[in-house]
Amino acid sequence: GAVVSQHPSRVICKSGTSVKIECRSLDFQATTMFWYRQFPKKSLMLMATSNEGSKATYEQGVEKDKFLINHASLTLSTLTVTSAHPEDSSFYICSAPTGLDHYGYTFGSGTRLTVV
Amino acid sequence: DAKTTQPTSMDCAEGRAANLPCNHSTISGNEYVYWYRQIHSQGPQYIIHGLKNNETNEMASLIITEDRKSSTLILPHATLRDTAVYYCIVRDAFTGTASKLTFGTGTRLQVTL
Repeated sequence: GAVVSQHPSRVICKSGTSVKIECRSLDFQATTMFWYRQFPKKSLMLMATSNEGSKATYEQGVEKDKFLINHASLTLSTLTVTSAHPEDSSFYICSAPTGLDHYGYTFGSGTRLTVV
Repeated sequence: DAKTTQPTSMDCAEGRAANLPCNHSTISGNEYVYWYRQIHSQGPQYIIHGLKNNETNEMASLIITEDRKSSTLILPHATLRDTAVYYCIVRDAFTGTASKLTFGTGTRLQVTL
C-alpha cells in the first residue's frame, strides 16, 4: 500500500528556533499533502494544504509566515515551524491522497514537537 | 463534507465484538463513509469505507443503514491492540482532485481483558 514517511518522529527545540518536518511519499506521487496539528486528547485540525509547484493554502487562523510549507517535488513536502514558541508544542501529522479510492488517504506517523 | 457525531468513548472486552456507531444524517448522495483509527501517538490508519452497501475487509465490517443516515463499524473480535480513537468521516469519492478530510472528535475505544 501507499506509504508516507514522516521525519523526525520527535524533536525538542529551544524557543525562537526553527524546526523542519519532512513528509515523503515512498511509492506513489503526492501532488497534494495535508498538514494537521493535534493537541493532547484533541482531534486532528487541518492547518494547510500543499500542492506540488504552487503555494500552500492555509486554514483560517493559521499563520502562513510561521508555518512555512514547501512542496517542491511530487514526493516531498516540508513544514517548517519558524520562531517556535512553547504554544507550538504539538503533534504534527501529514497526509496524502493515494489516488486509490480503496485507501483514500494515507498518513505519516507524526512528529511530536516540544518547544522549551 | 457532512458532519458526523460519535459517542465519546466505549469499552469492549477482549474477544468480543466492538460496535462503534456513527450518525451522519446530512450525508449527501455522492459522499462515502470512511473509518480511520488512531492509536496513541501515531498517524491515523485507514480501516474501511462504503457508499451504501455493507462492506467487510480483513480488519472490520461496515454496516450502513438503508437511509444512509448512520453506520456502524464492527470489529468482530476486539483485541487489546484495537484500543484507539476511531473516526467516522464522510467525504466525496476521490475524483482526481483531493478534498480535505475533516476529523470530528471520534470514539475512544478501550479494549479490556
